[in-house]
Amino acid sequence: DTAVSQTPKYLVTQMGNDKSIKCEQNLGHDTMYWYKQDSKKFLKIMFSYNNKELIINETVPNRFSPKSPDKAHLNLHINSLELGDSAVYFCASSQDRASGAKETQYFGPGTRLLVL
Amino acid sequence: AQTVTQSQPEMSVQEAETVTLSCTYDTSESDYYLFWYKQPPSRQMILVIRQEAYKQQNATENRFSVNFQKAAKSFSLKISDSQLGDAAMYFCAYRGFISNFGNEKLTFGTGTRLTIIP
Repeated sequence: DTAVSQTPKYLVTQMGNDKSIKCEQNLGHDTMYWYKQDSKKFLKIMFSYNNKELIINETVPNRFSPKSPDKAHLNLHINSLELGDSAVYFCASSQDRASGAKETQYFGPGTRLLVL
Repeated sequence: AQTVTQSQPEMSVQEAETVTLSCTYDTSESDYYLFWYKQPPSRQMILVIRQEAYKQQNATENRFSVNFQKAAKSFSLKISDSQLGDAAMYFCAYRGFISNFGNEKLTFGTGTRLTIIP
């Protein structure tokens, strides 16, 4: 069984379009994240949600809007895509802060987004 | 803000030999967590090993071990008996202790690409 899954794995689209990436985890975790990996392989946090509430927003343009319908899902919607949005987007999850030493983050397989 | 530095963009090692990947970090916190993640060509981020800063004992996972030097803020990864499947990008990552919301994020280094020579 896949612990953290993302769809789609590949996304090719034109500049100006709107697209969504979905993430689901079946680990029973309460905290979920989106990370962006750029062309130089650098990974940086974008958002974090705990129990459907936004807790980290790392100065990401407001064209990016995360949505968490429940604690097992964290979707990422991107409006008006730009060339610079091309990257690999990773979803991750971890157990909540109240559970003690279960802070290891488990990552999804990544979604490679290419904006043309 | 915490920073993580990996000074070796690329490393190579002969199969069956031992290699050490370097990582240093900067933080003002006394408690935190450190991780090594592996990213093979499949792109999947795979946890290799983790270390709690309050533990003096270095973490080990089979052929993988760390040399954690808290005073020096150093966290190197040693891979023994290197195998072809170890070829990947290796990322060092820092996470603050669970005390405030916002500490949960991972701060990554820039990665080290490890090549295994048959």
